[in-house]
Amino acid sequence: DTAVSQTPKYLVTQMGNDKSIKCEQNLGHDTMYWYKQDSKKFLKIMFSYNNKELIINETVPNRFSPKSPDKAHLNLHINSLELGDSAVYFCASSQGFGELFFGEGSRLTVL
Amino acid sequence: DAKTTQPPSMDCAEGRAANLPCNHSTISGNEYVYWYRQIHSQGPQYIIHGLKNNETNEMASLIITEDRKSSTLILPHATLRDTAVYYCIALMNNNAGNMLTFGGGTRLMVKP
Repeated sequence: DTAVSQTPKYLVTQMGNDKSIKCEQNLGHDTMYWYKQDSKKFLKIMFSYNNKELIINETVPNRFSPKSPDKAHLNLHINSLELGDSAVYFCASSQGFGELFFGEGSRLTVL
Repeated sequence: DAKTTQPPSMDCAEGRAANLPCNHSTISGNEYVYWYRQIHSQGPQYIIHGLKNNETNEMASLIITEDRKSSTLILPHATLRDTAVYYCIALMNNNAGNMLTFGGGTRLMVKP
């Protein structure tokens, strides 16, 4: 039973489209995150979110928005996709300051 | 969070201990040292973390120098499945949760 699951695993789309990646965790954690791993393999934090606070990395364009329908889900919405958005996006969760559990990643390709 | 420096790559023979160094000379007193690894095409995986004392768990040991300016992750008996990129991260736990900042890491290649 996967702890942090992301869908879709692969996503290919055209420039200018709007897309979403879903993330669910069944660990009962209170904090969820989105990370981006680019072609050079650097992992960058995009958002940290719990039911009290959303923390946004200031380098993330406002075309990216996290949406949390409930404590177990943090979906990533991306508007007006650009070529540079092509990357692997990882969702993660933690309980407070505890270790992060990562999903398997969603590879987004923008054509 | 303090900057960390790691060698870009290392090799290790299967069955031998893998010792992965990390420098964090600007670490502050309340910053923890975390280690994660990323096996190819998978999400990062937590290994271990510590503040001042050496730590050991089922995966690895973490040795932190007395001045806390560097640390070493030890995989006591490396296997081929330990081939991965290993990330050392200095992090101050705060109300923002664990906003980990990953550097380039060390690519460990375990060879038969």
